[in-house]
Amino acid sequence: SAVISQKPSRDICQRGTSLTIQCQVDSQVTMMFWYRQQPGQSLTLIATANQGSEATYESGFVIDKFPISRPNLTFSTLTVSNMSPEDSSIYLCSAYGTSWNEQFFGPGTRLTVL
Amino acid sequence: DAKTTQPTSMDCAEGRAANLPCNHSTISGNEYVYWYRQIHSQGPQYIIHGLKNNETNEMASLIITEDRKSSTLILPHATLRDTAVYYCIVNNQGGKLIFGQGTELSVKP
Repeated sequence: SAVISQKPSRDICQRGTSLTIQCQVDSQVTMMFWYRQQPGQSLTLIATANQGSEATYESGFVIDKFPISRPNLTFSTLTVSNMSPEDSSIYLCSAYGTSWNEQFFGPGTRLTVL
Repeated sequence: DAKTTQPTSMDCAEGRAANLPCNHSTISGNEYVYWYRQIHSQGPQYIIHGLKNNETNEMASLIITEDRKSSTLILPHATLRDTAVYYCIVNNQGGKLIFGQGTELSVKP
């Protein structure tokens, strides 16, 4: 199993600024993912964070808007760049190990953009 | 990954069994059926998964039809704490999860 923490847990930001969200896993994992959950909606996969290489983005998400880093097997960051009110969402990271049956999720970061 | 279809919402009386259906008619042979739930203001939580056979764990049972085109998640004795959105996801164990809209289960006293 894995315990995942995220920082910050919530933030209120001004339009045009950027916020970096950190995700820390308590064990080495094969894969890490970033999801967005807009108000009242389901989760949408943003990208797969690849260790040592560029993230793999899903359709509709681009690196310039959501740059992702994964410097090692336990840590990843997601930056939401040049924010607008439409970016107000909960951002969640998750982790998966090839020997696991399940994917573990962090508690999420609640972002409000004014 | 195959698409799933679930009812938008369901109610269940506390102490009764909750049966949550899921259709996945385009599932392919190497894809598993996973169930996760999301309690309000928390990250999703794994419940159970299966390939062909019915599965049971301490949380729930998963019944998969013989043609694998649909499944049912059973919470045998629902409690108020089981109120959540339940997601049925078809996945080939590659890690990436594609969430549908899920079923909002309300367990009522």
